[in-house]
Amino acid sequence: EIVMTQSPATLSVSPGERATLSCRASQSLSNKLAWYQQRPGQTPRLLIYDTFIRATDIPARFSGSGFGTEFTLTISSLQSEDFAVYYCHQYFNWPRTFGQGTKVEI
Amino acid sequence: EVLLVESGGGFIQPGGSLRLSCAASGFSFRTHSMNWVRQAPGKGLEWISYETSDEKTIHYADSVKGRFTISRDNDRYSLYLQMNSLTDLDTAVYYCVVSIEGYFPYWGQGTLVTVSS
Repeated sequence: EIVMTQSPATLSVSPGERATLSCRASQSLSNKLAWYQQRPGQTPRLLIYDTFIRATDIPARFSGSGFGTEFTLTISSLQSEDFAVYYCHQYFNWPRTFGQGTKVEI
Repeated sequence: EVLLVESGGGFIQPGGSLRLSCAASGFSFRTHSMNWVRQAPGKGLEWISYETSDEKTIHYADSVKGRFTISRDNDRYSLYLQMNSLTDLDTAVYYCVVSIEGYFPYWGQGTLVTVSS
C-alpha cells in the first residue's frame, strides 16, 4: 500500500496570503496524484488531477506541481472560501489511498 | 448535471448487515467505473471499493475485503454496496464516486452508517 503523508496538518494563514501544502508518497506515483477540497459539512471537490491539471471551474489561484514522490498544492492568494481541509490522493496503484488532510485555517 | 444520490444508510448493531444504493443520473453510467469512499466522523477519506463499467474488475480495501461486496446494475443506473459483519469501525459517511482515469471528479452527498450497540 502506498502511504500518503501530508504536511503540515494545519496551516494558519491570512486572506490574500499564499498557502503551500505538501504531499509525500511512500513510493513513486509518476503523475497520478489528485487534490480535493472539503469545506465543513460538504462533499469533497476535485481541484487538481494528474498532478497539475485544474478540474472544471477551479480558479487559477489553485496550482499543483511535483512528480514521483513529492507533490505540492499552492493557493496563490487565499480567499475566504478556501479555508477548508485539503486531501491528496494517489491513483497509481491499488489500493487507492488518501493523505490524512491539511486543514487551512485563519 | 451529474447527480449521485446514496441511500440505505442508518443505524445498525455490530454484526449486522446493510445494503447501500447509489442512483446515478446526468452522465453515461454504463461507461464509467465507480467507487465507494467513506469518511468516519471527524476523520479523513478512505477509499474502500471499485468496480469497472463492465463489472469485470473489482478491488477492495483490506479493511472491508471479505465483508463488503460492490455491484452495479447498468440498466438501472445504480451502484450498490452490500456490507456484512459490520463493526463500529465501519461507522462513516459513505460516498458514491465516479472515477475517470483513476481520479474522482464526481461525488454524491453521502449516506451515514452508524454501527453501535
